Amino acid sequence: GAGVSQTPSNKVTEKGKYVELRCDPISGHTALYWYRQSLGQGPEFLIYFQGTGAADDSGLPNDRFFAVRPEGSVSTLKIQRTERGDSAVYLCASSSLWREGANEQFFGPGTRLTVL
Amino acid sequence: AQRVTQPEKLLSVFKGAPVELKCNYSYSGSPELFWYVQYSRQRLQLLLRHISRESIKGFTADLNKGETSFHLKKPFAQEEDSAMYYCGDTGANSKLTFGKGITLSVRP
Repeated sequence: GAGVSQTPSNKVTEKGKYVELRCDPISGHTALYWYRQSLGQGPEFLIYFQGTGAADDSGLPNDRFFAVRPEGSVSTLKIQRTERGDSAVYLCASSSLWREGANEQFFGPGTRLTVL
Repeated sequence: AQRVTQPEKLLSVFKGAPVELKCNYSYSGSPELFWYVQYSRQRLQLLLRHISRESIKGFTADLNKGETSFHLKKPFAQEEDSAMYYCGDTGANSKLTFGKGITLSVRP
């Protein structure tokens, strides 16, 4: 079946603009995660959804970052007033918490965001 | 806060040589450790997790609570093992804390 998909694959924007990054998780996965990966670093946790609600948003760096998952499937990460420091690869992952072997997270290909 | 340390950035070995990729974690009561791998132009994927106690692609990793380590080992490296490897620890809510990663390069 299809894996986690993310769109766009690349996004170039100017400082101060608003961007939206989309994640389509694996069908039936109730948990969805957003990570940010800067150059030379491992992925860094941003936010975790269980169903429609954000169960843990402790990794969001500031109030310019916001994420939604209104129907418990697709999620959108929104960044307002982008800054050059926001440039990174944004990764989405999903998992099923109801099966044996739970907690394995399946990652999408990422969206590379470049803020000029 | 949880922390995962991968002390080396790069390990370069010849094909057939043993490999050990180091990972240390900060004590979190009940650690749940993973190794993820990213091959060139592919997405991040799970390699193995400590509770499974399995060997994947010849790799094994043993959780050592005394040393708070979860080193990844393979006795004979293959060229196709060349990739980026990340150690991770899952805390509450299943969020993964990753190390910075290590590039494994296996030369022919």
